[in-house]
Amino acid sequence: DIQMTQSPSSLSASVGDRVTITCQASQDISNYLNWYQQKPGKAPKLLIYDASNLETGVPSRFSGSGSGTDFTFTISSLQPEDIATYYCQQYDNLPPAFGPGTKVDIK
Amino acid sequence: QVQLQESGPGLVKPSETLSLTCTVSGGSISSYYWSWIRQPPGKGLEWIGYIYYSGSTNYNPSLKSRVTISVDTSKNQFSLKLSSVTAADTAVYYCASGRDGYNHWGQGTLVTVSS
Repeated sequence: DIQMTQSPSSLSASVGDRVTITCQASQDISNYLNWYQQKPGKAPKLLIYDASNLETGVPSRFSGSGSGTDFTFTISSLQPEDIATYYCQQYDNLPPAFGPGTKVDIK
Repeated sequence: QVQLQESGPGLVKPSETLSLTCTVSGGSISSYYWSWIRQPPGKGLEWIGYIYYSGSTNYNPSLKSRVTISVDTSKNQFSLKLSSVTAADTAVYYCASGRDGYNHWGQGTLVTVSS
């Protein structure tokens, strides 16, 4: 099975800050990677698919990049409503696997 | 807009079978993939398996011996059965649309395994 890691596990930033989360796969997954946002008590929401494509309706301050084993998720200007846990997910190989998550809050 | 809703018992006894149903509205269950994903309290997400509307399935090897996912196209529903449950199966169970990425999710239902 492919293992996914994320760093940091949590971060605290100010409104307007640029926030970057990294995700690493245990083997090459090409660009078969998605990013989700999960707010407390809610289901995850798909933000980015195929590593860098913005899901319809998702604000443009969210972006993703990378391929192979190393990926980056960025919030260009953190907003209060972005407080959530963010997960990466690979789908190159079965079983699909999620990273452990990165909890983002406001400083 | 596709909407999904999980239903089923919130409490299951150890060694028994967990059964959940996901009802799809706002769209047809046909011609697409449908998945189950779970999240233990305070922990991360675990893919359980998916089913295609035709009935073909794929399961997480870690659960494969205990999982059955089925579909009822006439009711626009798909279901999850997990047998021989233990406390480790306590989680919020989500149904979702998709095979590789999940763009529509149910609200989730907490299933507690306890006697």
